[in-house]
Amino acid sequence: KAGVTQTPRYLIKTRGQQVTLSCSPISGHRSVSWYQQTPGQGLQFLFEYFSETQRNKGNFPGRFSGRQFSNSRSEMNVSTLELGDSALYLCASSLLGNEQYFGPGTRLTVT
Amino acid sequence: EDQVTQSPEALRLQEGESSSLNCSYTVSGLRGLFWYRQDPGKGPEFLFTLYSAGEEKEKERLKATLTKKESFLHITAPKPEDSATYLCAVGRDDKIIFGKGTRLHILP
Repeated sequence: KAGVTQTPRYLIKTRGQQVTLSCSPISGHRSVSWYQQTPGQGLQFLFEYFSETQRNKGNFPGRFSGRQFSNSRSEMNVSTLELGDSALYLCASSLLGNEQYFGPGTRLTVT
Repeated sequence: EDQVTQSPEALRLQEGESSSLNCSYTVSGLRGLFWYRQDPGKGPEFLFTLYSAGEEKEKERLKATLTKKESFLHITAPKPEDSATYLCAVGRDDKIIFGKGTRLHILP
């Protein structure tokens, strides 16, 4: 069974721009969660989608948003990028929202 | 406040030298404790889920145990390929909270 895929793998953006990241979950998994990982803060939960509905949300500003499509694929968007948004963005899928399987991540650099 | 604390932050061992990593937690409504392994530049790889105190899970040289306040990841006779960051996470009803991890380095 194919794993979680994320595109793009690497991205360089300028402060003030916006960015969209994509995630395709494991076939059959309906829950998709997004995390931000930085050396100082570790893995921080952004949000979780289940059957196209945002089920949970972490403590991030409204510049961070996401959505899920009917095929369970998910996108997250960050608007008005700041230098502090530079991080590894990880997507994880799960069958019932418990054991999560992660993708390789998207490395975002904001200059 | 719900919290997950892992110790030590970093650990260097000789090949074959067994040790344990600790994950202590305070969380209301625990619905599972998870262990992951993360290699540099990659996403975390799922290892174990533990649901209740006294539960144990094993996989190759790794064994995870759970009490009411902490979990241990025991590594027996490690090899250099076991070098990685090991992450602990606890599940609540609304999200999963990760610790900052233990960086493990096994010297040949």
